[in-house]
Amino acid sequence: AQSVAQPEDQVNVAEGNPLTVKCTYSVSGNPYLFWYVQYPNRGLQFLLKYITGDNLVKGSYGFEAEFNKSQTSFHLKKPSALVSDSALYFCAVRLSYNNNDMRFGAGTRLTVKP
Amino acid sequence: EAGVAQSPRYKIIEKRQSVAFWCNPISGHATLYWYQQILGQGPKLLIQFQNNGVVDDSQLPKDRFSAERLKGVDSTLKIQPAKLEDSAVYLCASSLGGEDTQYFGPGTRLTVL
Repeated sequence: AQSVAQPEDQVNVAEGNPLTVKCTYSVSGNPYLFWYVQYPNRGLQFLLKYITGDNLVKGSYGFEAEFNKSQTSFHLKKPSALVSDSALYFCAVRLSYNNNDMRFGAGTRLTVKP
Repeated sequence: EAGVAQSPRYKIIEKRQSVAFWCNPISGHATLYWYQQILGQGPKLLIQFQNNGVVDDSQLPKDRFSAERLKGVDSTLKIQPAKLEDSAVYLCASSLGGEDTQYFGPGTRLTVL
């Protein structure tokens, strides 16, 4: 069965430093991979997705993610973190041929300290 | 462009009571989803509609949960009767089609006492 793992419940970084939020997936086929962000009392906001093509995907607010097929990973990155990036981040996977089945990770809480 | 609208934003009920949530998707989006997000977990799909038809409701607890999208636009999700474990945020999302990016509403936070 397809699944997503976010191995870190919490990530803390200092403002201005690079950040990485990790995601690994398990699917039997080519995956569609997504990152969403959730601010307090708000719904999930789409950041970026990988469907096919270039392994480095650029998204909203300066975020990017790198698809690594050999390591089955799709880590979210940003070169320089902002305090306003503090939020809950969710990785999700969906099989390309089954558009009904989207599975989310448990989420990683990112805290950026000034 | 207006986003996905949901109401109410918060609801507190006692167990065994009934509750209904409303969702209005982004205009022109044919596919609508309801998710349940329990505290500390990622969202779990409850039901997916394509226009006014159900595409997937395999994870919907049908003994107490029901949903409809009669005119293929807005949708309601109902719980009757509610249990303590139904306390969660109920998220509605929509997309142009089933394989397109999903856009989420702000959610309804349900507390069952």
